[in-house]
Amino acid sequence: AQSVTQPDIHITVSEGASLELRCNYSYGATPYLFWYVQSPGQGLQLLLKYFSGDTLVQGIKGFEAEFKRSQSSFNLRKPSVHWSDAAEYFCAVAPPSGSARQLTFGSGTQLTVLP
Amino acid sequence: GAVVSQHPSRVICKSGTSVKIECRSLDFQATTMFWYRQFPKQSLMLMATSNEGSKATYEQGVEKDKFLINHASLTLSTLTVTSAHPEDSSFYICSARDRGGGQPQHFGDGTRLSIL
Repeated sequence: AQSVTQPDIHITVSEGASLELRCNYSYGATPYLFWYVQSPGQGLQLLLKYFSGDTLVQGIKGFEAEFKRSQSSFNLRKPSVHWSDAAEYFCAVAPPSGSARQLTFGSGTQLTVLP
Repeated sequence: GAVVSQHPSRVICKSGTSVKIECRSLDFQATTMFWYRQFPKQSLMLMATSNEGSKATYEQGVEKDKFLINHASLTLSTLTVTSAHPEDSSFYICSARDRGGGQPQHFGDGTRLSIL
């Protein structure tokens, strides 16, 4: 069974500082990988996704993520955090094939941005 | 981009009431929709997969008679929480995948259900 681990429950950074959110997955093959962001009381917005190809993926809002097969990781990064980035971030995986292709989410990382 | 509309955004009702939540794909046809439940400060847990024209597939531990899912068209799936009780209070989110079966899923904005 596939699983996703986000080891950091809560991260606090100062505005303008760099950010890295960690995500590790467990799956037999390379799954599809996603990062979503959720503001309080809202649904999920897709930041970026990795299916194949270039292991460094660019997303919206200045985010990027790097897929590292050897480490089964897909960490999210941003060089300079803005106050509006404060939110909950979820890493998710889905099987690359098959009829179900349902998402499995990590437990989330709450990001707090200090002024 | 693909838009999923979820309605209502918030419901407050008395215990014993049945509540219906709608999930619509606005600009694409969704053969598959997913229903998730999210408790405060927790991740999304898949409740069921809704397939157009067929019965929904429920995850282990989810009562199908409690959470009725109907996916009658390619743009609409509904989740009805029957005889809701306070323990059913939660944030419910739907997502939809387009007819091509590709990723990613597109999420609605969620429904905050509060049972008094």
